[in-house]
Amino acid sequence: KQEVTQIPAALSVPEGENLVLNCSFTDSAIYNLQWFRQDPGKGLTSLLLIQSSQREQTSGRLNASLDKSSGRSTLYIAASQPGDSATYLCARGAAGNKLTFGGGTRVLVKP
Amino acid sequence: DTEVTQTPKHLVMGMTNKKSLKCEQHMGHRAMYWYKQKAKKPPELMFVYSYEKLSINESVPSRFSPECPNSSLLNLHLHALQPEDSALYLCASSQAGGESYEQYFGPGTRLTVT
Repeated sequence: KQEVTQIPAALSVPEGENLVLNCSFTDSAIYNLQWFRQDPGKGLTSLLLIQSSQREQTSGRLNASLDKSSGRSTLYIAASQPGDSATYLCARGAAGNKLTFGGGTRVLVKP
Repeated sequence: DTEVTQTPKHLVMGMTNKKSLKCEQHMGHRAMYWYKQKAKKPPELMFVYSYEKLSINESVPSRFSPECPNSSLLNLHLHALQPEDSALYLCASSQAGGESYEQYFGPGTRLTVT
């Protein structure tokens, strides 16, 4: 069974600190790894997509890395702000456009 | 326009009711998806449509019936649901093909079955 794991399940940091979110997956034959943000009761917002041939992607304060050999992806958020408080989900992309999600990391940035 | 819209935002239905959820996108995407998300859990894939044809059904009970009338629209018909079907139902779209493309999600429909 293909599994995606995110640890820790929850994280609390003071404003201004850098955030490091971890995602691990069991099958290295992935097509891509996608990071999402979800606010309570809302839909998912796509943050970054890393293709299997890439090692990292950057967008503003966000940087995501992908290491297929170790089955890991990391999302870095620089200089966190209270508005970054949300649940962050990673998802492993497979053939047929199938996404398998991790359980998410709930982030609280304290002002 | 990178928006996926879903209606209604909230739906309360009894176990004998028939209702439908609607999803629309105008990004030219030819793959559309239904996901179910229970509270404090990640989304779980239900159905995938590719080029208006059902390509994946993740063993979803027949009380959920998807329909893709055209490349922009996706419906989910609901009948004889159970209280445990209460959840957030998310629609998504992406490019279609044999690989895996970035998926764009709608805001979801919050369904409560009484």
